[in-house]
Order: sequence, then structure tokens, then C-alpha cells
Amino acid sequence: GDQVKQSPSALSLQEGTNSALRCNFSIATTTVQWFLQNPRGSLMNLFYLVPGTKENGRLKSTFNSKESYSTLHIRDAQLEDSGTYFCAAEPSSSFSKLVFGQGTSLSVVP
Amino acid sequence: EAGVTQSPRYAVLQEGQAVSFWCDPISGHDTLYWYQQPRDQGPQLLVYFRDEAVIDNSQLPSDRFSAVRPKGTNSTLKIQSAKQGDTATYLCASSLNRGYEQYFGPGTRLTVL
Repeated sequence: GDQVKQSPSALSLQEGTNSALRCNFSIATTTVQWFLQNPRGSLMNLFYLVPGTKENGRLKSTFNSKESYSTLHIRDAQLEDSGTYFCAAEPSSSFSKLVFGQGTSLSVVP
Repeated sequence: EAGVTQSPRYAVLQEGQAVSFWCDPISGHDTLYWYQQPRDQGPQLLVYFRDEAVIDNSQLPSDRFSAVRPKGTNSTLKIQSAKQGDTATYLCASSLNRGYEQYFGPGTRLTVL
């Protein structure tokens, strides 16, 4: 089954607007990583989270281990934010392995 | 600091042919991972090493896939007899240690005809 479920699967945003992506976990999770995959296929690290919140520029991410979810907030979306966003969970039962969601395809339009 | 490097970037094969992918992790990272990413899906772990030792290869199709990391630095993933279902991007990642943040290379995009 889907151990890491991402929503929405696809999203179109107008430049300058805000949005939130979400991951729900059906497995006990120790840490979460968020990545952005660009059209060439490279995975860029966005956040590495233990339970709590981190912020970097226009991006903010939260990992709530008790309620088994993580969110990624994008503020003032820019064209270069387009791509596929993946969250990945490190299961408590499988130290060091990452289980990825199916991704959210984001398109930022002028 | 150089990131994770991989080669080749692309490979096109006929079914039944063999192919090898090479990965050079970030210097000082003792843990190295290989992932398979089919089109429009998230990456899925195939195998990972700590130094030269295989820690988990339970998701590696062992009859055709093999992976080595003989000196605990670079690694090679080999497919002996490729099938169309192997068409995917193969990603290598490394981390400072087990349980630390993983950093990915640019991947090798494999097409099996």
C-alpha cells in the first residue's frame, strides 16, 4: 500500500500566490526529507526534518510525527519553483532507508 | 564541495544486453544508496552500502542486478540482461552516515527497447 501519500498529485499556481503540499505517513517515521526534482531529473534537497518546523526563504516545512504528516508551504511562488516535489520518510523500523511519495507536480504560471 | 556524480547520463539498450552504472559519492560519505525511479513515480531503494558492506539489498532483483562498492568509495550497479521493465532513471545517493540527510546524483536515464 501507499506508505507515503502525497497530495495533491498536481497543482498549477499563479506567480506570487501561496500554496501547501502535504504528505501523510502510514508508517512510524523518524525523519522526513523534501526534494524538488527539476525537468532534467536532478533531486535538489529542500529540507531535512526531525519533528518540528524549518524555514528557508519562501519555503517552510513542518513534520508532525504524532499525527504522521508533513507539509511544505510555498510563499510568493516563482516560475523557478516549477517541478516535482517529493517527500521521503525514514521509517523507524528501517533506519536509513527512505520511502518516497509519488510526488506533486507543480506548475507556476505567469 | 563536489556533489554526487554519476555516469553515463543516458543509456539505450536492446533487451538482453548488459549495462553498468557508476557512482562517485560525496567525499567522506560512508553510506551509498542506489534507487530506481520509473517514469512518473517516486524513487525506490534498490540497495545500500556502508563502506564496502551491503547493508540491505532486499529490493534488488538479484537474478539480473548486482551492485558493488569494493573500496568503500565508488560504486557500480550492473544489469546483466536488461528487460523493457527496467526502463527507469537510476539514482545514486550518499550520506555522511546511516540516518543522515541523503544527497542525490543527477541519475542515469535507461531506456530498454
